[in-house]
Amino acid sequence: GAGVSQSPSNKVTEKGKDVELRCDPISGHTALYWYRQSLGQGLEFLIYFQGNSAPDKSGLPSDRFSAERTGGSVSTLTIQRTQQEDSAVYLCASSPSSAGGIYGYTFGSGTRLTVV
Amino acid sequence: AQSVTQPDIHITVSEGASLELRCNYSYGATPYLFWYVQSPGQGLQLLLKYFSGDTLVQGIKGFEAEFKRSQSSFNLRKPSVHWSDAAEYFCAVGGPDAGGTSYGKLTFGQGTILTVHP
Repeated sequence: GAGVSQSPSNKVTEKGKDVELRCDPISGHTALYWYRQSLGQGLEFLIYFQGNSAPDKSGLPSDRFSAERTGGSVSTLTIQRTQQEDSAVYLCASSPSSAGGIYGYTFGSGTRLTVV
Repeated sequence: AQSVTQPDIHITVSEGASLELRCNYSYGATPYLFWYVQSPGQGLQLLLKYFSGDTLVQGIKGFEAEFKRSQSSFNLRKPSVHWSDAAEYFCAVGGPDAGGTSYGKLTFGQGTILTVHP
């Protein structure tokens, strides 16, 4: 696609429910990133996929968070048993190579998650 | 570990005034530095980036940034601010990790919110 697409744009869920957030990166981009943006907290790295390599999961805050990337394209971030502190904007980004840290990323518009 | 500090959480300027947003980084090698802008309800858009060479980098929308290695800074500037520049600005640092095996991640600062008064 022309840009990074995220869905849904907004999600309200009840505490304890599971949620899935979807990211469709730019076609041909091999690297995909998830970040979390909480109020006043900047961007917090969650997970990074690069091609067929094992993902870098070092930023996932707990085992309630998981992500997968199917066919080297679409990615789903799953949060199980959501808590109120999970409320944030979840941003996805992609990069044409493994050197996103050098060339930068293209971001999607994010999914705003509200846990009530 | 790499880190980025943006000392100013919120800055207010008048339209037409000059602007400087501060960014300090901590990184063990030559950094790759970025400025992104986020308008309300939008994702982040890349304004400019520094790799090497000329320490004064030009970006989109009339922005520029200067890399000062001695001060570990990469401040963003604009000579005359427009009302449409009101947004949140993020500085980020990237480059090889400690093992030199991965170049994938960017580390972001906490952001500076810019308000522009007419």
